[in-house]
This record gives sequence, C-alpha cells and structure tokens, in this order.
Amino acid sequence: SAVISQKPSRDICQRGTSLTIQCQVDSQVTMMFWYRQQPGQSLTLIATANQGSEATYESGFVIDKFPISRPNLTFSTLTVSNMSPEDSSIYLCSVADGSYEQYFGPGTRLTVT
Amino acid sequence: QQQVKQSPQSLIVQKGGISIINCAYENTAFDYFPWYQQFPGKGPALLIAIRPDVSEKKEGRFTISFNKSAKQFSLHIMDSQPGDSATYFCAAQDYKLSFGAGTTVTVRA
Repeated sequence: SAVISQKPSRDICQRGTSLTIQCQVDSQVTMMFWYRQQPGQSLTLIATANQGSEATYESGFVIDKFPISRPNLTFSTLTVSNMSPEDSSIYLCSVADGSYEQYFGPGTRLTVT
Repeated sequence: QQQVKQSPQSLIVQKGGISIINCAYENTAFDYFPWYQQFPGKGPALLIAIRPDVSEKKEGRFTISFNKSAKQFSLHIMDSQPGDSATYFCAAQDYKLSFGAGTTVTVRA
C-alpha cells in the first residue's frame, strides 16, 4: 500500500485564522480524499480531491470553508478557513488507486482556541 | 443519518476470547465492506474487507461474516490479544465510504 504523510501532524490555531494541511503520497494514485474525525467520533467525508479540476464536496461542506487543491497525482492540500472552535478535529487524507481499497494518512490534529 | 449502524459502542474481552462487532446497512448499492482498525493518535488502518458475493473471509485471527439477505456483516477477532485493543470501524462503499460509529475494544490481559 502507498505511504501517506501529512503536514502538520498537529497544530493549535487562533479562531478566525486559516490552516493549510498537506498530504503527500509516495506513488501516483487515482483518488485522494479528505475526511474529518471529530473527537471520539467516526469519519466523515469532506470532499474528493480531483486532479486538475475542482474538488467534489459532500453535503454540509463548502469550498469557501474547505478549499482543496490537487496539483498532481501525489499531492493535495486542504485549507480550513476562518476557523472556529467547532473546527477542532482530526483531518485525514486518504488515497485509492483504481481499486476499492482506501488507505489513510496519520492525520492532522487541529485545535482551535 | 448514519448509513451503517455499528454495535456495540464498546466491549471488553479477556485475552484469548472472541470479540464480535456487528454492522447493518440499508443501501443495496453498497458493494464493498471494509473494516478499519484505529489506535489512539493514528490514522485508520485497513484490516480486512469483503465483497457481497462472499459470505465469509478470514485473514489470520480476523474473520468477516457477511449476510447479504439480512444486510448485516460482522467482524470476529479470535484469540483476542492486548495489542488488539483499538477502535474498529466498519464501512460500506457505493461511490464513497460510509463509516459506522466505531467500537472500542479493550482486551484485558
């Protein structure tokens, strides 16, 4: 399976600011996804990061709040904009490469104060 | 609205015992059913998965049982070990993965 890294691994941010999270994969993959996992909760898909086009967002998530880039087949970024304490979560990148199997990165732990 | 219902929320098992986690779904478009294992501070790791044309899949001490007519599937952890203590998520996929709420398994030595 692909090796996935995320930066930063954790951060503490002030409300009203923005944070960009990076996801790097060690091989080219077809699909990249961004999830949110609130403390003690399950995983919720934010969006599918599409290479060369706009991301596909799930219900309840909007581009202005969570802009996503995917410039190539190994890299994507998620920005959490105008943060509030409710955005405190783990943000996870995942990848899939033509099969159903989806692999997750280690996550970015975000605390908004 | 959770598309995949998972139970129990938590369970405690003695070392060597069997852990059983159950999941149920309604969406008949789901065609892939993975289980993920997550340790504190880590991302979820794909543990084992099954397609609906198979009723059982076994990998080491982990077995998925799948009942298509009942729209239920379960994870059995045989000979549970303290290192199996983690949160387990079932999931189901149509065009995206939908996750269950998770089960925290504690294996007592």
